[in-house]
Amino acid sequence: LAKTTQPISMDSYEGQEVNITCSHNNIATNDYITWYQQFPSQGPRFIIQGYKTKVTNEVASLFIPADRKSSTLSLPRVSLSDTAVYYCLVGDKRQAGTALIFGKGTTLSVSS
Amino acid sequence: NAGVTQTPKFRVLKTGQSMTLLCAQDMNHEYMYWYRQDPGMGLRLIHYSVGEGTTAKGEVPDGYNVSRLKKQNFLLGLESAAPSQTSVYFCASTLTLRYEQYFGPGTRLTVT
Repeated sequence: LAKTTQPISMDSYEGQEVNITCSHNNIATNDYITWYQQFPSQGPRFIIQGYKTKVTNEVASLFIPADRKSSTLSLPRVSLSDTAVYYCLVGDKRQAGTALIFGKGTTLSVSS
Repeated sequence: NAGVTQTPKFRVLKTGQSMTLLCAQDMNHEYMYWYRQDPGMGLRLIHYSVGEGTTAKGEVPDGYNVSRLKKQNFLLGLESAAPSQTSVYFCASTLTLRYEQYFGPGTRLTVT
């Protein structure tokens, strides 16, 4: 199973762009990279998913270099409501038991 | 459309007691999952199901049993609760492995 490494915590201010990098050195050919967000006392919420290059949606962008050994979640112009834990997951979408392996995540704190 | 619901929201058990946690989804999803989350930790997969009548072990299955008799319901059972099972339990579901997972609000279980 591809394991992921993320920073334990990050701090930012409102209006700044935040980039959270995830390392996954042993990612396999069929693995996808998925990011989830979790607020206190709530279940995780899907943010974005990608395989290679760049993916963008209305919430975030995901940058994946050619070697796929890392990925970066980019949150544009964060607000206080973006304070949450962010999880990077790497797994084979064909394998139900491995597609959702969560690590400890990155706690993002946004201040005014 | 209620999404993923979990019953109960809170529960306190004494060591050795049994209980069943219910997860229900109204999105006609094939895949369902049970996770536990301990303080400062990410989510760990307990058991999962790839369809009605099927179940499989995840990362931390010991002490738990599951059943998926109906497509919309996924039950998690604790036959003899132990203090180590004090945790927040999350259920999730997804239509297929290609799509995002939807999480329930969680069940906070305390075993004394």
